[in-house]
Amino acid sequence: DTEVTQTPKHLVMGMTNKKSLKCEQHMGHRAMYWYKQKAKKPPELMFVYSYEKLSINESVPSRFSPECPNSSLLNLHLHALQPEDSALYLCASSQEILGMNTGELFFGEGSRLTVL
Amino acid sequence: AQKITQTQPGMFVQEKEAVTLDCTYDTSDQSYGLFWYKQPSSGEMIFLIYQGSYDEQNATEGRYSLNFQKARKSANLVISASQLGDSAMYFCAMREANDRGSTLGRLYFGRGTQLTVWP
Repeated sequence: DTEVTQTPKHLVMGMTNKKSLKCEQHMGHRAMYWYKQKAKKPPELMFVYSYEKLSINESVPSRFSPECPNSSLLNLHLHALQPEDSALYLCASSQEILGMNTGELFFGEGSRLTVL
Repeated sequence: AQKITQTQPGMFVQEKEAVTLDCTYDTSDQSYGLFWYKQPSSGEMIFLIYQGSYDEQNATEGRYSLNFQKARKSANLVISASQLGDSAMYFCAMREANDRGSTLGRLYFGRGTQLTVWP
């Protein structure tokens, strides 16, 4: 069983909807990530949080809004999405010591998003 | 230039046989890490094995081993005694230690190799 839990596993939304993806880990990791993965493609980094602060934003459109309310939780708020935003959204976490990533990324099972 | 190259879009192997998945990488850093992940159809990315650039011995984890040839910049994954459950997409990834002064999360992934194990 994965130690990174993502909900919901599947989400269908219209272009005018507002929804959120949630991610939770209890491994004490202080770095958390959102990746986007289209079918048959590798994951693409979207955001990185380090100690609950946004440290990397890979020029992601503002219709995606990340939030890290505490060290265990990571949200991705979705608003006014486009059909091309349909993808698998993967959350991950890793240990971090003094700004250095010290191990592998642990991924969740992902949330499959379909935008109609 | 691509940092990670996986030249095999698909590979087929019979159950109980060994299979090698190719990965080459491109970096000018001295310190870096190489990872292999498995992604079944369920979507989860499962960590398999890690090789640090300064590790002198090839990494092994159960049936997985990494054939690390630093001079050739290759990090091939060897799966011994393939099982039907090994059928999945396999991604090679690299983390550079000096990327923007931080190593946070910036894994460069290859395009992946779809492995099919047949009985």
